[in-house]
Amino acid sequence: DAKTTQPTSMDCAEGRAANLPCNHSTISGNEYVYWYRQIHSQGPQYIIHGLKNNETNEMASLIITEDRKSSTLILPHATLRDTAVYYCIVRPYSGGGADGLTFGKGTHLIIQP
Amino acid sequence: KAGVTQTPRYLIKTRGQQVTLSCSPISGHRSVSWYQQTPGQGLQFLFEYFSETQRNKGNFPGRFSGRQFSNSRSEMNVSTLELGDSALYLCASSADRGNSPLHFGNGTRLTVT
Repeated sequence: DAKTTQPTSMDCAEGRAANLPCNHSTISGNEYVYWYRQIHSQGPQYIIHGLKNNETNEMASLIITEDRKSSTLILPHATLRDTAVYYCIVRPYSGGGADGLTFGKGTHLIIQP
Repeated sequence: KAGVTQTPRYLIKTRGQQVTLSCSPISGHRSVSWYQQTPGQGLQFLFEYFSETQRNKGNFPGRFSGRQFSNSRSEMNVSTLELGDSALYLCASSADRGNSPLHFGNGTRLTVT
């Protein structure tokens, strides 16, 4: 079972900030929060990840609450190309490699022109 | 840097046949993992290889197998194909550090008739 809960779908106007929430209330101390997105017929694309501090890169910002039970992915200026399914995943620090990520249903973000 | 490359992009096979899918990881990545994605079950972990050894395995029957070569390229094989094996098969690679993100290819779309 997925360890995260996300809304099924969200709309956002083009040019506005898209804020995608994720609940991970059972997250452990050594688990990171990762965000991926998937555009139809393509593989999931890595966006950003973090442990407890807020993170920012060229694609997005990740805000993690102080108790680490929830997080928000922020796309600062959404474009039509940001329409995709966004997955929030928790993954332990495993010492290396992939240990079987569990993807939930994700949030279908639709950017409206 | 080139991304994860999967071949072929599309494949149509008949029930009972076997199929081999190929994955070339990002240069320098030694961990390669495989996932099956279907509309009903979502993304499910098949197995992970590191340094030519299977390190983790998901809950799939023995008809699904894989291997990794010394150059980190990986193949997965499905024998005695069933209609339910129709899916998007995704390969992901990562650097072998505990919080390294997975980077996915665009997958092989397998249709079993």
